[in-house]
Amino acid sequence: NAGVTQTPKFQVLKTGQSMTLQCAQDMNHEYMSWYRQDPGMGLRLIHYSVGAGITDQGEVPNGYNVSRSTTEDFPLRLLSAAPSQTSVYFCASSPQGYGSTDTQYFGPGTRLTVL
Amino acid sequence: GQQLNQSPQSMFIQEGEDVSMNCTSSSIFNTWLWYKQDPGEGPVLLIALYKAGELTSNGRLTAQFGITRKDSFLNISAYIPSDVGIYFCAWQLGTNSGKSTFGYGTTLTVKP
Repeated sequence: NAGVTQTPKFQVLKTGQSMTLQCAQDMNHEYMSWYRQDPGMGLRLIHYSVGAGITDQGEVPNGYNVSRSTTEDFPLRLLSAAPSQTSVYFCASSPQGYGSTDTQYFGPGTRLTVL
Repeated sequence: GQQLNQSPQSMFIQEGEDVSMNCTSSSIFNTWLWYKQDPGEGPVLLIALYKAGELTSNGRLTAQFGITRKDSFLNISAYIPSDVGIYFCAWQLGTNSGKSTFGYGTTLTVKP
């Protein structure tokens, strides 16, 4: 299994550009999440999904959209990039079921810079 | 929202020393999680705690779920250079939610 994969690994955008961060997992996990990590701020939840076709907002959803058309993929879209969105983005997945959802598997991250 | 306070923010450790860090919250939690993040990587789960008072070990790591269910600590014994990284506490937002809230992290660095 490849686990959780994220592309691209690095990205530089200009203010106002849009782009999609890709996330895929091959573990047949129901739950997937997007976090952003900023220095000294820990990881903050952007959006999450408990299954195909179901998404919900996390702590910091503004400026981001998600969709979950398949179990495997959970892309994160930046609608109009802003410098405040410069961050490291992590995708995570976890299996369904009490106790098992505690183990979130994280991807390697996408390092995004918005100029 | 719930506050999750993690301390210390950073530590400089000599090889062989023991390390201790903790998390406190303003709310009662059902699950405490401890993650480690190596430089340039995503976090990896170290220990999960499910019951108040529970003490769990994973090699040189030991974590405890506080009796009040509002705190947890993580101890690392006999620090080695590969322990460098950021350690996060986290709590599960309800059962079967698939999402967590993370502390700000404790960064461990080898003392020069």
